[in-house]
Amino acid sequence: GENVEQHPSTLSVQEGDSAVIKCTYSDSASNYFPWYKQELGKRPQLIIDIRSNVGEKKDQRIAVTLNKTAKHFSLHITETQPEDSAVYFCAAPPYSSASKIIFGSGTRLSIRP
Amino acid sequence: ETGVTQSPTHLIKTRGQQVTLRCSSQSGHNTVSWYQQALGQGPQFIFQYYREEENGRGNFPPRFSGLQFPNYSSELNVNALELDDSALYLCASSAELSTDTQYFGPGTRLTVL
Repeated sequence: GENVEQHPSTLSVQEGDSAVIKCTYSDSASNYFPWYKQELGKRPQLIIDIRSNVGEKKDQRIAVTLNKTAKHFSLHITETQPEDSAVYFCAAPPYSSASKIIFGSGTRLSIRP
Repeated sequence: ETGVTQSPTHLIKTRGQQVTLRCSSQSGHNTVSWYQQALGQGPQFIFQYYREEENGRGNFPPRFSGLQFPNYSSELNVNALELDDSALYLCASSAELSTDTQYFGPGTRLTVL
């Protein structure tokens, strides 16, 4: 069935280090992969997304990589800062029902000073 | 911040009651999706409306229903409220169907006692 798995569920990194969050999806025809950041009590905010015609996309300290063969995509945050502490969600719409975006279970990222 | 707004911000109801939540989409967006986010979990897709028609539904019972109006604002109605309906209800709007970027509203926190 349609599924998006995300790991790790929690991640703690030293300020200035890099953080990597990984997601796998089940529908090989999925073609759009957004990442959202949700701070406590706030709305999910899109931070980066990638479509299946590219393998990597960067925006300053944030990058997303996509491996369509393995059906996984990853979020990379470099030079982490305290304001990066939040819950991060990956998402993917199954091609068979593209209106229905399925979210991963989330990764709680903590940046240690 | 996105141009997506939701009302009310918070709501307390008792079991068996009915509730209506409202969402105004971002200017230029004709698609609204609704999600339920339980504490500590990722958003779960309820349904999507495109140009006033339902365009996809998640695994939610029929007591969850919706509407979209000609100005593309939307309502989520939940009948016969249950304790497990307590959650943050998010709407997201996008410019077109499915794999266009979705922008979330601030959410309505529903508590069912």
